[in-house]
Amino acid sequence: RKEVEQDPGPFNVPEGATVAFNCTYSNSASQSFFWYRQDCRKEPKLLMSVYSSGNEDGRFTAQLNRASQYISLLIRDSKLSDSATYLCAHTGTGNQFYFGTGTSLTVIP
Amino acid sequence: GAVVSQHPSRVICKSGTSVKIECRSLDFQATTMFWYRQFPKQSLMLMATSNEGSKATYEQGVEKDKFLINHASLTLSTLTVTSAHPEDSSFYICSAFSVGVSTEAFFGQGTRLTVV
Repeated sequence: RKEVEQDPGPFNVPEGATVAFNCTYSNSASQSFFWYRQDCRKEPKLLMSVYSSGNEDGRFTAQLNRASQYISLLIRDSKLSDSATYLCAHTGTGNQFYFGTGTSLTVIP
Repeated sequence: GAVVSQHPSRVICKSGTSVKIECRSLDFQATTMFWYRQFPKQSLMLMATSNEGSKATYEQGVEKDKFLINHASLTLSTLTVTSAHPEDSSFYICSAFSVGVSTEAFFGQGTRLTVV
């Protein structure tokens, strides 16, 4: 079973739309969770960490549900510049970072 | 955020040759470095975890004799792809991590390897 499962999409949404991504993880002992953004042919960049209480950064909201072992990312008021691949990640017991397959988002004018 | 430099950014090599990729943490000491491989339209797949001064821990299915990892110092890790084949062509990315610096890992810019 994969460490992290993520719907690859693609998600094609109009500008201004709200879009949500989910990611499930298999290791209940996972400590830390993150959402990364990856543009084509570039390295991933941290978008936000995910905390148990949920956290918000502008138009982005991340949540963690330990009971159901999933994390989510909500993007409100989508911009064209939000088009990218979004990767969820969690750390293993040895601090290894395991990534989901990534969800492709295209925001359409 | 912390800076991780990866070199080269792009390399083309002939089948059967070896290629070395360097990963350096420029402004912090990385206790752990990770090496990933990413094929087109696929996710980052963890290849190995490298701790300074000890042998790397390889993920299942990754050949340790083919992908040699050296982590000789707290700021440098190298990945050598030995006897490269066309199917080794991929995007290789390193990331560096230090418990005392942050809970996140910082990524290098990646190396696009093409084996012809």
